[in-house]
Amino acid sequence: GNSVTQMEGPVTLSEEAFLTINCTYTATGYPSLFWYVQYPGEGLQLLLKATKADDKGSNKGFEATYRKETTSFHLEKGSVQVSDSAVYFCALSVSGGYQKVTFGTGTKLQVIP
Amino acid sequence: DVKVTQSSRYLVKRTGEKVFLECVQDMDHENMFWYRQDPGLGLRLIYFSYDVKMKEKGDIPEGYSVSREKKERFSLILESASTNQTSMYLCASNNDPPAGLNTEAFFGQGTRLTVV
Repeated sequence: GNSVTQMEGPVTLSEEAFLTINCTYTATGYPSLFWYVQYPGEGLQLLLKATKADDKGSNKGFEATYRKETTSFHLEKGSVQVSDSAVYFCALSVSGGYQKVTFGTGTKLQVIP
Repeated sequence: DVKVTQSSRYLVKRTGEKVFLECVQDMDHENMFWYRQDPGLGLRLIYFSYDVKMKEKGDIPEGYSVSREKKERFSLILESASTNQTSMYLCASNNDPPAGLNTEAFFGQGTRLTVV
């Protein structure tokens, strides 16, 4: 079956620090990969996505590259802000069948001034 | 913008009550989903629906049922609420993309249910 593994949190960083959140996946077929973000008290929002190998998704200074050879989709940001404090979910969906999205367990990021 | 609206942000119910969680989407999406979110477990799929009156079990359907009488509305039902169903419930929707492609899901703001 399909699965997503994320690094355990919480991750605490100082403002302007470099962020990496690791994500690896297992999938049958050819998945699309996503990062969602959940701000406190809110639902999930799509942050970025990549639909095929070597694609790079980017948004709001965040980036992630679809690495088929290592089955990874690590999230990075060069300089985090306090407003980036949230829970980040790595996810995938596979073509064919119903468009279910499989999520990782989430990584909580706290950025301190 | 796609909008997925859940009827309540917070609910408190008693053990044994029948509970209805409502979700409405305004983008004419074919697929709708109910997830529950628990610390350390991420999001787990309870049920989904790919068409009106159609439903499929997800990974953790026990203790839940669903109803989709109209395309835009997907209800999650707890027949007899129990304390282990205290959780954050998230509704989502999407469309079937062109063949061979995938699509993300669009989420509501969540309902935090407490069963006492």
